[in-house]
Amino acid sequence: GESVGLHLPTLSVQEGDNSIINCAYSNSASDYFIWYKQESGKGPQFIIDIRSNMDKRQGQRVTVLLNKTVKHLSLQIAATQPGDSAVYFCAEGPMNSGYSTLTFGKGTMLLVSP
Amino acid sequence: EAGVTQSPTHLIKTRGQQATLRCSPISGHTSVYWYQQALGLGLQFLLWYDEGEERNRGNFPPRFSGRQFPNYSSELNVNALELEDSALYLCASSFFVSRSAGELFFGEGSRLTVL
Repeated sequence: GESVGLHLPTLSVQEGDNSIINCAYSNSASDYFIWYKQESGKGPQFIIDIRSNMDKRQGQRVTVLLNKTVKHLSLQIAATQPGDSAVYFCAEGPMNSGYSTLTFGKGTMLLVSP
Repeated sequence: EAGVTQSPTHLIKTRGQQATLRCSPISGHTSVYWYQQALGLGLQFLLWYDEGEERNRGNFPPRFSGRQFPNYSSELNVNALELEDSALYLCASSFFVSRSAGELFFGEGSRLTVL
């Protein structure tokens, strides 16, 4: 399928490295944040979310860190694998609101070399 | 269980024509969302349907419209196509309206190219 990764910042890592993908958000009122993964030719896939009352949340090989002071979100992927190659983007919005109020970032392309 | 399905996968139109894109949500999901993903841009919210009604609309002109059928499938229509309408159109569905209670599931998208 056609890539959605053109014109995006790119992070290139070696297999087995840890990857850190960053996202700056602008809306101080946002209290819910989501990371999505989008492989070439596919739709976005939910990875992990975090609420503003937390500053860290861990999943399977992934950790999301939230710094509300500087409005910054990061996604850490441990032991990156070639299958992790994709575009990653964050989304932000008010917690008690529908998905239609989410604001999505442009994304970062992660390239993992064997 | 089948995921969100969209058709067609690719669509090529010329300026001024109309495009119709279709989406079938996951079984049991009543909410359908449409997003536009242009190259180099983040997802832009287009429309939200729930229980057959339009619940919210993004900052797009009226020539972007749609509907939701009784079986919860949905259609996105784009009239008077312009070159800048070329994009990947993503449909998503959810069971719950509030994010606090559930996840948003995306289809693989329909790639619209306007020549």
